[in-house]
Amino acid sequence: GAVVSQHPSWVICKSGTSVKIECRSLDFQATTMFWYRQFPKQSLMLMATSNEGSKATYEQGVEKDKFLINHASLTLSTLTVTSAHPEDSSFYICSARTGSLYEQYFGPGTRLTVT
Amino acid sequence: QKEVEQNSGPLSVPEGAIASLNCTYSDRGSQSFFWYRQYSGKSPELIMSIYSNGDKEDGRFTAQLNKASQYVSLLIRDSQPSDSATYLCASDRGSTLGRLYFGRGTQLTVWP
Repeated sequence: GAVVSQHPSWVICKSGTSVKIECRSLDFQATTMFWYRQFPKQSLMLMATSNEGSKATYEQGVEKDKFLINHASLTLSTLTVTSAHPEDSSFYICSARTGSLYEQYFGPGTRLTVT
Repeated sequence: QKEVEQNSGPLSVPEGAIASLNCTYSDRGSQSFFWYRQYSGKSPELIMSIYSNGDKEDGRFTAQLNKASQYVSLLIRDSQPSDSATYLCASDRGSTLGRLYFGRGTQLTVWP
């Protein structure tokens, strides 16, 4: 149980284009989904928290106009990186929690390379 | 001040030994604590959660929590080369949003 999927698993795009990453909870309804970014050999950095049907809560320093988050249903959240630049190249990972527990289950991650 | 601190490591133990990973936290309001394992190039995987003082055992893993000392640890018995990974300690932020604080991780290598 508690399986989270992400799509795509890796993507290469040109500078200035936008990329959408999907995160789905496959066997449970996620009360909250989270988006993280991780640079090589660094720890997880929380970007934003999203709840179904409401606006995402962004962490300090994260540009909400650049990283658009939509949480359309209890099983789907999307992250769109708009006007991507090479410095946005990173490993993007989503996670989800269910109910009142704090446990988060992570998706497999999406490796984004912007050329 | 970092909310969750871990031994930066790296930690290296021989196969069959006990690996001990430590973590301290600063937010006294935290009630839930987690250990995640992250293999190189992969996403984190939840291996243990602990909510009460004392020990919690699951197979070869034992999590220990001491809220008075604000200390969490993970023991891995009979360590295997497949346990080689980065171990992340996390605690809740005490908010309804459900966010977690993550430590920077401790890299463990188990050599045969």
